[in-house]
Amino acid sequence: SAVISQKPSRDICQRGTSLTIQCQVDSQVTMMFWYRQQPGQSLTLIATANQGSEATYESGFVIDKFPISRPNLTFSTLTVSNMSPEDSSIYLCSVKTTAKNIQYFGAGTRLSVL
Amino acid sequence: AQSVTQLDSHVSVSEGTPVLLRCNYSSSYSPSLFWYVQHPNKGLQLLLKYTSAATLVKGINGFEAEFKKSETSFHLTKPSAHMSDAAEYFCVVSTNFGNEKLTFGTGTRLTIIP
Repeated sequence: SAVISQKPSRDICQRGTSLTIQCQVDSQVTMMFWYRQQPGQSLTLIATANQGSEATYESGFVIDKFPISRPNLTFSTLTVSNMSPEDSSIYLCSVKTTAKNIQYFGAGTRLSVL
Repeated sequence: AQSVTQLDSHVSVSEGTPVLLRCNYSSSYSPSLFWYVQHPNKGLQLLLKYTSAATLVKGINGFEAEFKKSETSFHLTKPSAHMSDAAEYFCVVSTNFGNEKLTFGTGTRLTIIP
């Protein structure tokens, strides 16, 4: 399995500011994913981040609002830009291992926007 | 297109009694199906996975699920509930046709009554 570290684990931010969430994996992985889990709801895929290419965003999510970096095979960042209270959610990073075709998840970043 | 329906948003069982969490799926292609568990303030943990091998899949912590193509179901069961099983459970579908996207169900909150 893959061990995933996300930072920060939680944050409280002011409206209009931006927060960058980091995701570090203990092994090299090709595919990384960013999900959002709004309060009391299920997970929704924001984007797929593959090393060496631009992130692929799902319907309803745009790069200007959620820019993603993927500089190498073990690290990615998601920025939540110009935040509003509606962005208050848990943001989760996941990685897919080629060997077992399984996605593993980080513990998530709990974001509250005031 | 793929989708997942978890038929119960909340299930309560007494400790020591069987657990049944219901899931129906829809997929245009041969699906992979997963059950993930999310304990309070924790990340998601993979319980088990089906990928067109044996239809009865055994997972961790005594859980198992049976893939029934004719019923498009993938229900999660456990013979005897423990207090530590209290958590949110997500049924997840993914296609094997070059699409790595996971589609999550809305989740079932399992409560264990002492």
